[in-house]
Formats: sequence, structure tokens, C-alpha cells
Amino acid sequence: IQMTQSPSSLSASIGDRVIITCRASQSISSYLNWYQQKPGKAPKLLIYAASSLQGGVPARFSGSGSGTDFTLTISSLQSEDFATYYCQQSYSPPRTFGQGTKVEMK
Amino acid sequence: EVQLVESGGVLVQPGGSLRLSCAASGFTFSTYAMNWVRQAPGKGLEWVSSISDRGNSTHYAASVKGRFTISRDNSRSTLFLQMNSLRADDTAVYFCAKDGGNDILTGDAIDYWGQGSLVTVSS
Repeated sequence: IQMTQSPSSLSASIGDRVIITCRASQSISSYLNWYQQKPGKAPKLLIYAASSLQGGVPARFSGSGSGTDFTLTISSLQSEDFATYYCQQSYSPPRTFGQGTKVEMK
Repeated sequence: EVQLVESGGVLVQPGGSLRLSCAASGFTFSTYAMNWVRQAPGKGLEWVSSISDRGNSTHYAASVKGRFTISRDNSRSTLFLQMNSLRADDTAVYFCAKDGGNDILTGDAIDYWGQGSLVTVSS
């Protein structure tokens, strides 16, 4: 299953609403997860099962979608949110990741 | 607190072998599937392999199948990745990662990650 994220990168300002999309090459139901990775650090789980917020993750992060089309939304971008975001399908192995979306400061 | 600590990453020549280890603590290791995920320098994440809680079910990416072997020792809460016939494109940081379920076929997310171990394949 191929996972395609868009955009590959974006520039945004503090307080902006940011939307990242992820498309699967076939239906994956709601088996879609979102991770945040900062340079030199391990990824961190943000959203699992398309829309469930992982414990400890700020409520400004939300996920939606099912089937083949998914979105990650950051409602009001904060300084600590500048990072690269990856989607990953857990529907079936191999557990493919999207290519990543880098969120940079405008 | 969940902790995953990888070790074993070094510089190895093409065609060589290496075994990575991951020491787990802070959770009941024997009841969760485990994963290896890698990241080549400046690139994205690539899932490599997974093993079920009891070790009786394994899965591999096509890029490593037949060369890498995942295993676990539940008595020592340790995950392994035996890497043979290494190639330059295996150069990456290898992350040990805990699954949310007992087998990756349950569809759970990877919920905790180690800090990674760098494997460099070069002559």
C-alpha cells in the first residue's frame, strides 16, 4: 500500500491553521496513524486510528478521514510544532509511511 | 515509563553482518509486538520488520527480506535484528519501536520509539 502525503513541505506562521493530507493507494479503513519528528529525535505518535488523540498530545492536533483520504490538522500552530510529520498505515504489512511533510517557519 | 535503548550500531563493510539489540523496560515486554524502523540520512521513515509478542509471527519489508532476521528474548525483554549481506543502502538510523498490540495484524499504531542506533555500511 502506497502512502502519499501533501504537501512535501509548507511554510506557516505561529497561530496558523495547518492541514496535511495523506492518501492511501487502496482503502485502509481507519488504520492510519500520524507521527511528529523533530531533527535528531525519535518520532512521536500524535494520532492513531485516524482520529484518536494519543495521550499527552495537545488538543490543537486532530485527525480525520477513512478509506483512502486522511488529514492531520493543527488548529493553531505553536513554535514547538515546527517539525516533520509522517502518516503510516497499519492496515496490513508492510506498514508503509508517507514521505513526510516538513512544517517550517514562514 | 517506557524505555527502549538500542545498541550495536557501527561502521561495517559491504557484505558484512551486524546484530542490533534493543533493551526494553517500563512495560510488559512479552505482551506486545515489536518493530524495527529505519531512517536513511536526510530521508523519511521506512518500516523494516515486526515480530509478534510470542515471536511466532514475523514480517519484513521487501528490501530486507532474506537478509535480515528479527527475534526477541522475552526473558530478557530484548529485541534483536540480525542483519546479513549488508549494502550501502542499508545505512540508516535504526529505531526499535513498541507496537500497541500483540501482533501487527491487529492494526495498532507504533506508540513508543527508542532513540535509534546508527548503522553505516561503507568500505
